[in-house]
Amino acid sequence: DAKTTQPTSMDCAEGRAANLPCNHSTISGNEYVYWYRQIHSQGPQYIIHGLKNNETNEMASLIITEDRKSSTLILPHATLRDTAVYYCIVRVLRNTGKLIFGQGTTLQVKP
Amino acid sequence: DGGITQSPKYLFRKEGQNVTLSCEQNLNHDAMYWYRQDPGQGLRLIYYSQIVNDFQKGDIAEGYSVSREKKESFPLTVTSAQKNPTAFYLCASSPSVGNTIYFGEGSWLTVV
Repeated sequence: DAKTTQPTSMDCAEGRAANLPCNHSTISGNEYVYWYRQIHSQGPQYIIHGLKNNETNEMASLIITEDRKSSTLILPHATLRDTAVYYCIVRVLRNTGKLIFGQGTTLQVKP
Repeated sequence: DGGITQSPKYLFRKEGQNVTLSCEQNLNHDAMYWYRQDPGQGLRLIYYSQIVNDFQKGDIAEGYSVSREKKESFPLTVTSAQKNPTAFYLCASSPSVGNTIYFGEGSWLTVV
């Protein structure tokens, strides 16, 4: 699976949109972009995933560039409960379940 | 509510003792997984199971054992052969291997 690069940390004001970037320049054509988040001492929470089209669900939007080398997770109205470590990973859906979590981005939502 | 339940949340054991971590899911998922996460580290796959009565080793299976006698349950035993068992253990499931993976809340194991 391809490697991803994310900023170490970001701040966001409560109520504003949080835009979390991810670089995956070596992504292959059959690899999906997945986003999870993890609050300390809890299991990772699935947020969203996509292949090449932009995706939206009740939690977030995922914008993938046309060349698929980068993506942005958007939390439209960040709340204090969105403070967490956000992980961007790429994976082939046929694989065994091995998920390569990098260091992620620590998002701090401030009042 | 549907989900993945891990128990106990916190567990302390003496060195040399085996310990079993419970994982139950009511999502009707075929595939289940066990991961280990150390502080500041990513996830490492211990074992996974695609269907009942079948399981495969992951990257760090040594010192661990699993069983999959029921679709809903995938317990993990940390044996005394595991050199550094103190860690955060995560159980997960997916509709099948290759689908989106969903995680339980995790279990903290401390061996003293």
